[in-house]
Amino acid sequence: GQSLEQPSEVTAVEGAIVQINCTYQTSGFYGLSWYQQHDGGAPTFLSYNALDGLEETGRFSSFLSRSDSYGYLLLQELQMKDSASYFCAVGTSNYQLIWGAGTKLIIKP
Amino acid sequence: ETGVTQSPTHLIKTRGQQVTLRCSSQSGHNTVSWYQQALGQGPQFIFQYYREEENGRGNFPPRFSGLQFPNYSSELNVNALELDDSALYLCASSFRLAGPVPETQYFGPGTRLLVL
Repeated sequence: GQSLEQPSEVTAVEGAIVQINCTYQTSGFYGLSWYQQHDGGAPTFLSYNALDGLEETGRFSSFLSRSDSYGYLLLQELQMKDSASYFCAVGTSNYQLIWGAGTKLIIKP
Repeated sequence: ETGVTQSPTHLIKTRGQQVTLRCSSQSGHNTVSWYQQALGQGPQFIFQYYREEENGRGNFPPRFSGLQFPNYSSELNVNALELDDSALYLCASSFRLAGPVPETQYFGPGTRLLVL
């Protein structure tokens, strides 16, 4: 079967750095995306990796290792507004879009 | 604000009924994907439409069907509603130049469906 695994909850302190990991087991991997979703809101796109390495967008960075079927999202200089759920999602070559169950990020002052 | 709209925002139906949900894509986008999100879970991929044709489907039965129109608006139809169909239904608009799936998706606010 196809699956993605990510921690259910992560807690961090305002101003700190946090890493959210995602491991996947899929056939025909095409790319890994990250989305943020606040309670009651819609997912918003954060980052995308198709090739190995690091992608940086402001305070957010995303990393992919295709050989390890592993990626992570790195959030720096955490702010209270970053409290949300974060989802990794894999697109496959057979036209599938598979999402993880999400990681709830709790930020403490 | 993504420019993707969905209607209605909320809907209550009874078991066995049929429902149609609508999505208006962002201007210039040629692909729409539909998702079902149960409370506290990640979005589950229902299907994807590219240039008016379904070209990707998740693990959902045939009673879930869809349409994409020439103006790239879209519908999700669900027949014979079951209690477990109660969820938030999200559509996502994107532009695909090449490749089987979009890199970036822009989501609408969703339709919350309750089946009694």
